[in-house]
Amino acid sequence: GQQLNQSPQSMFIQEGEDVSMNCTSSSIFNTWLWYKQEPGEGPVLLIALYKAGELTSNGRLTAQFGITRKDSFLNISASIPSDVGIYFCAGHSNSGAGSYQLTFGKGTKLSVIP
Amino acid sequence: NAGVMQNPRHLVRRRGQEARLRCSPMKGHSHVYWYRQLPEEGLKFMVYLQKENIIDESGMPKERFSAEFPKEGPSILRIQQVVRGDSAAYFCASSPGGAPPLHFGNGTRLTVT
Repeated sequence: GQQLNQSPQSMFIQEGEDVSMNCTSSSIFNTWLWYKQEPGEGPVLLIALYKAGELTSNGRLTAQFGITRKDSFLNISASIPSDVGIYFCAGHSNSGAGSYQLTFGKGTKLSVIP
Repeated sequence: NAGVMQNPRHLVRRRGQEARLRCSPMKGHSHVYWYRQLPEEGLKFMVYLQKENIIDESGMPKERFSAEFPKEGPSILRIQQVVRGDSAAYFCASSPGGAPPLHFGNGTRLTVT
């Protein structure tokens, strides 16, 4: 099946620093999504990307849909303590077996040191 | 509350018992998805349903697991004769159509003792 490689697995950063994480896939996706999950909660949608090359921002968050459609990155600028959590990328393909499924990466665990 | 509602939040079952997990999608959403998450892992697709129809159950084990989304009422994920390996967080998501983005509930954490 499709697999997503998400990196890094975890990050410890100082408050105020910028953060970058990315996902790569062995196959093409038509949609890339970025979610944040906090302990005991469900994933919350941060950004959805629908076109190759698309660059979208949501406050201090910026995400891009790679030109090859096999990768995406998420940047967080000027991190704050409430950015702590696990960030997941997810890809969706419109066609083929499993065309209704989201494939998730294993997550990037972000810790922010005040 | 306009979000996806799941209950119970926590469920403890002994081996061999049945677990029933409920999900009410967001208002206006007729497409429901169930995902399973093991500790330190991403979410894994289980099943996709529309009202009264199972569209894709390719991620759901063939035995002991079943799902339904009746015309009236919530979607139900049912696990019969639970085993320790069924312990996980089960998340439901909904969308207005069959395409993303999906909006997730807060999950049911199943513990099998």
